[in-house]
Amino acid sequence: GAGVSQSPRYKVAKRGQDVALRCDPISGHVSLFWYQQALGQGPEFLTYFQNEAQLDKSGLPSDRFFAERPEGSVSTLKIQRTQQEDSAVYLCASSPSSGGATDTQYFGPGTRLTVL
Amino acid sequence: GNSVTQMEGPVTLSEEAFLTINCTYTATGYPSLFWYVQYPGEGLQLLLKATKADDKGSNKGFEATYRKETTSFHLEKGSVQVSDSAVYFCALKPISGNTPLVFGKGTRLSVIA
Repeated sequence: GAGVSQSPRYKVAKRGQDVALRCDPISGHVSLFWYQQALGQGPEFLTYFQNEAQLDKSGLPSDRFFAERPEGSVSTLKIQRTQQEDSAVYLCASSPSSGGATDTQYFGPGTRLTVL
Repeated sequence: GNSVTQMEGPVTLSEEAFLTINCTYTATGYPSLFWYVQYPGEGLQLLLKATKADDKGSNKGFEATYRKETTSFHLEKGSVQVSDSAVYFCALKPISGNTPLVFGKGTRLSVIA
């Protein structure tokens, strides 16, 4: 079956522009996570949804970052007034249930954002 | 807090060599432990996992055993192939609630023929 998909795969933005990154989770998956992966680093948590509810946004680095999942499936991560330090790969992951400790998260290919 | 420390790379091995990538963790309670692999140009893929102490996860010839006493989850493979060249990430998921994965920084493995 289809895995997690993300679009666009690559995005180049000028500093100050707004960007929107899309994630299509595996159909029926309840939980959706966003991570940020800087070059040469491991992914770091940004935010978490259970269905349409955003239960944890403690990892969002500033109020320029905003995420939504209005119908409990597709999610969008929006970054306003992009800065060079926002350059990273943004990963989306979904899992079938409500995030128990043994749940496996399935990752999309990521969106590589470059801010010039 | 929760954290994962894994050996720094890059690691370069000849084909058929033995591989060990060390991973230790700090967590409250007994988390689930994972190894993810990222092949060039691709997303993260789950390689194996273990959810309780003394569990052994295995897949594609890779193994890792959940060692509570040493808080470790070292990845091993007896005979690596060129196709194993990738970045390997150790991660934990705390036992409580809807919490995200906590990743190590990754270890790049290059296998040469």
